[in-house]
Amino acid sequence: AQSVAQPEDQVNVAEGNPLTVKCTYSVSGNPYLFWYVQYPNRGLQFLLKYITGDNLVKGSYGFEAEFNKSQTSFHLKKPSALVSDSALYFCAVRDIAGTGQNFVFGPGTRLSVLP
Amino acid sequence: ETGVTQTPRHLVMGMTNKKSLKCEQHLGHNAMYWYKQSAKKPLELMFVYSLEERVENNSVPSRFSPECPNSSHLFLHLHTLQPEDSALYLCASSSQWGSTDTQYFGPGTRLTVL
Repeated sequence: AQSVAQPEDQVNVAEGNPLTVKCTYSVSGNPYLFWYVQYPNRGLQFLLKYITGDNLVKGSYGFEAEFNKSQTSFHLKKPSALVSDSALYFCAVRDIAGTGQNFVFGPGTRLSVLP
Repeated sequence: ETGVTQTPRHLVMGMTNKKSLKCEQHLGHNAMYWYKQSAKKPLELMFVYSLEERVENNSVPSRFSPECPNSSHLFLHLHTLQPEDSALYLCASSSQWGSTDTQYFGPGTRLTVL
């Protein structure tokens, strides 16, 4: 079965500093990996995804994520955080080889960027 | 965000009421999804429709009844709900079910059951 872990419920970072939101996954085959962001009272917005190819994926709003197969991780990063990045971030995975056709979402990490 | 719309945005209902949530996608997608988002819990996939046929029903109580009359519209009919059903209900769509395609989400309906 596929699963996703986001080990931190909350991440606090000062504006202008780099940020990292962690995600690890478990699948039986090769993964499809996604990051979404949710602002208050809004739906989830797509940030980026890894399907195949380059391990470093660039997405919306200056975010990027690095796929690390040996560590089964897909951490979200941004070089310089903005106060407006404060939101709830979700990692999701789908197993290419598995029978599950659907995404599994992590529990979410709340990012607070302090001015 | 206007690619997937949901109405109403907020709904308060009693346990004996019947109401419906509506989702519409303007993206030409073939797959639509209902998710439940409760506080402190991961997103729960409820139903999946592909080409207007239900392909997933993840042990959802029968008091939730989905309907997909065409590929652009998805409904969730609610009746005799319980207070623990209070949550944010999210609709999503993707080009195809079971592919690498990104799911695009609506803004959600915040449901409160009294």
